[in-house]
Amino acid sequence: QTVVTQEPSLTVSPGGTVTLTCASSTGAVTSGYYPNWFQQKPGQTPRALIFSTSNKHSWTPARFSGSLLGGKAALTLSGVQPEDEAEYYCLLYYGGAQPHWVFGGGTKLTVL
Amino acid sequence: QVQLQESGPGLVKPSQTLSLTCTVSGGSISSGSYSWSWIRRPAGKGLEWIGRAYTSGSTNYNPSLKSRVTISVDTSKNQFSLNLSSVTAADTAVYYCTRGGEIWGQGTLVTVSS
Repeated sequence: QTVVTQEPSLTVSPGGTVTLTCASSTGAVTSGYYPNWFQQKPGQTPRALIFSTSNKHSWTPARFSGSLLGGKAALTLSGVQPEDEAEYYCLLYYGGAQPHWVFGGGTKLTVL
Repeated sequence: QVQLQESGPGLVKPSQTLSLTCTVSGGSISSGSYSWSWIRRPAGKGLEWIGRAYTSGSTNYNPSLKSRVTISVDTSKNQFSLNLSSVTAADTAVYYCTRGGEIWGQGTLVTVSS
């Protein structure tokens, strides 16, 4: 059973910068895992932020960026706003005989 | 703009089959080469990818659910559906349908209880 691991929680000050990471139990995350990032606030539907490692949707604020960092997928928020307080989930693709996607456990980001 | 809406029973008995439908509006389910997916979130837990289907009939499923899941696309009705058999309380969750993870339905709560 593949496991995708994220930091359970992080805290950042308004205006600060924070990086969330996403690791795979199978080894280093590469672009071939097509990392996606989603934001979910309480009572709301998840919102897609990043696809294929670093590509932004038309609605993704410029302060969000995706990358690969030290064998992990990463989501960096620069100039954090109070409204960025939310849960963030990464999603990785696993190819092979039974292609499937796996979500990370999520990171609860607190802006304080 | 394309919108998705889940529908189906909010309560399912243990051992029965959970059946949900996602209706696509504002566009044809046949246009483009999108995947049509189901994702769920149990209370107090994170998101779980269930599986996806294409209008070609191709499907991929979460290996841990594969033996119980069927996802299908009905182009004539502009809908896609989820069937999850032999449900238990662990299948209680908010179920979301999505187009490629980009467009999401509002989600529907399904409770498994006798």
